[in-house]
Formats: sequence, structure tokens, C-alpha cells
Amino acid sequence: DAGITQSPRYKITETGRQVTLMCHQTWSHSYMFWYRQDLGHGLRLIYYSAAADITDKGEVPDGYVVSRSKTENFPLTLESATRSQTSVYFCASIGLTYNEQFFGPGTRLTVL
Amino acid sequence: DAKTTQPPSMDCAEGRAANLPCNHSTISGNEYVYWYRQIHSQGPQYIIHGLKNNETNEMASLIITEDRKSSTLILPHATLRDTAVYYCIVRAAGGTSYGKLTFGQGTILTVHP
Repeated sequence: DAGITQSPRYKITETGRQVTLMCHQTWSHSYMFWYRQDLGHGLRLIYYSAAADITDKGEVPDGYVVSRSKTENFPLTLESATRSQTSVYFCASIGLTYNEQFFGPGTRLTVL
Repeated sequence: DAKTTQPPSMDCAEGRAANLPCNHSTISGNEYVYWYRQIHSQGPQYIIHGLKNNETNEMASLIITEDRKSSTLILPHATLRDTAVYYCIVRAAGGTSYGKLTFGQGTILTVHP
């Protein structure tokens, strides 16, 4: 199906474990983004990528690692999960000629 | 990007127009006004954007004041499905900030039957 998908949709893990959240888009959009949303907060930008192999930090990058070897995929890795990283994670993409940012359905991550 | 101020919550009767205000008094000449909404537990959804002229699409209208220091999103005939958090975002077009959105707290719009 066309669009932007995230997997898994729900994840429970333990403190100290490595977790990778996947994001895949079928539009060949150049820009991709990872946001987190916590109760009582708006969305905050973690990392973004302007193209394959080009990534940069957002507002809250600590504790996260990203890579982008292919245009359509933008995985987010928590190298050693902490309870403070319990959140809902949204991936988004935007093409160079568009103004509309498309968001995925989100991944709800719980770190015990 | 310029900071925005929105009321924390608003109510609207179904079938009536919902008018959501946003203040952005420090907006720069090259900054656009964007509106997104987030229906419970879903990813945000783009609604509309504008620079200085009023804009309309199939979802909503955007009215920007002449001095560009404030704007109003209008949902002409609100339905129960329009109940959501509405975010007003100001962002420069292009450059290093391309696509980067700074979300505030937004306005919780509740549409009543």
C-alpha cells in the first residue's frame, strides 16, 4: 500500500535493551522525520534526514541513533532504552515540492 | 521559527462554523502559517497553510490578518469527527529548517452534538 508505515505499532521492552523502530514510505520523499509525543507535550523532533545518508539532530536527540541507507526507510534506534523514552513515536516525510508533511500511525513504546 | 499562541480549548456545536485563532506576533516575512490537527492517538494531519493571502481548500479556510500577526482557521460546518487537537505552526520555507515543525500545545476542539 502507498503511504507511510511504522512498525511495530506497539512495543514493550526493558530498561537497557536496544530497540529499533521502523519507518517506511512509498513516495520517495526526500525528507523524513522522527518525533516523540509525551503526555502533556506536543510533538518534539528527535532526528531528521534530508536524503539518504544525510541526517541531523532535532530538539531531543540524546539516546537515539538514526540511519538512512535507502530513501524509503528511516529506522530509529534506542541503543539502551530508558524509562524516560516511554512515548509515542511518529515518523513523517515530505517531498521537496510539497508543503504537506505526512505522518505515520505511530509506535507506542513502553520501557519498563 | 516564530512562537505561536493558541487557546487551550474551544467548543463548537455540530454543523456550526469553528473558528480557531492563533497569534504569531513575531512572524517574519518569509514564514508561513501551517495548521495541522491530531485526532486522538493518530498521527497529525495537514490541514492548510498560507503566507499572507487567505486560503481555502476542501477541509478549511485560513484567514491571515493584514499585518500577519494572527490568523484564524475556519472549519465551515464542524462535525463530530472534527474533534481533535489543532496546531498552528509558523515555519520558514526552504533552507535548513525545511520541513521541521515545532509543535506547541495546540487547541483542543470539542464538537458537541
